[in-house]
Amino acid sequence: EVQLVESGGGLVQPGGSLRLSCAGSGFTFSDHWMHWVRQAPGEGLVWVSRISSDGTNTMYADFVKGRFTISRDNAKSTLYLQMNSLRAGDTAVYYCARYGIAFDSWGQGTLITVSP
Amino acid sequence: DIQMTQSPFTLPASVGDRVTITCRASQTVGNWLAWYQQKPGKVPKLLIYKASNLQSGVPARFSGSGYGTEFTLTISSLQPDDFATYYCQQYNEYYTFGQGTKLEIK
Repeated sequence: EVQLVESGGGLVQPGGSLRLSCAGSGFTFSDHWMHWVRQAPGEGLVWVSRISSDGTNTMYADFVKGRFTISRDNAKSTLYLQMNSLRAGDTAVYYCARYGIAFDSWGQGTLITVSP
Repeated sequence: DIQMTQSPFTLPASVGDRVTITCRASQTVGNWLAWYQQKPGKVPKLLIYKASNLQSGVPARFSGSGYGTEFTLTISSLQPDDFATYYCQQYNEYYTFGQGTKLEIK
């Protein structure tokens, strides 16, 4: 069974940093491009970032460029999102998602709250 | 950037109804269009990929159609489990979700 388990969420002050992790299991992690998607409270889904299967190709939404960094460790089957210079508008549940056929598997999400 | 616009925003319906949700892209996305279902407090679930392909395990009452800029998700006979929010997503150029359509009990 495919599983994606996020961790690393929590409360952080504006301007602070957090690193999210997403551990994959039940599939060959290194075969798949991976994504981060977020959802602010009561709002819709917003794509954040993606990384190629070998980690060499990354892409970001404009609103996180220069602040967030996506990476992966295929030996550990783990995806990361380093989040710097956090703002109140970054408050959301962050999901990791596997790209197989579209976003076919999602983690349970981890909540990031940016507040003084 | 490609914008995705869903309609309606809210759709009141009853069990047994046939319902259709529309998604329009600001420019062509070919058939690189997916539909997701999300229930409150739950994770999004892939229903349809490449505009019209049913994801494994998804009931056959769900179907998708369209190409280019106009797409639809149809539920042929609503079941109680189907009341949720539905999102379209283009993955032709970057990745953009529609704003969501909340399917609610009439």
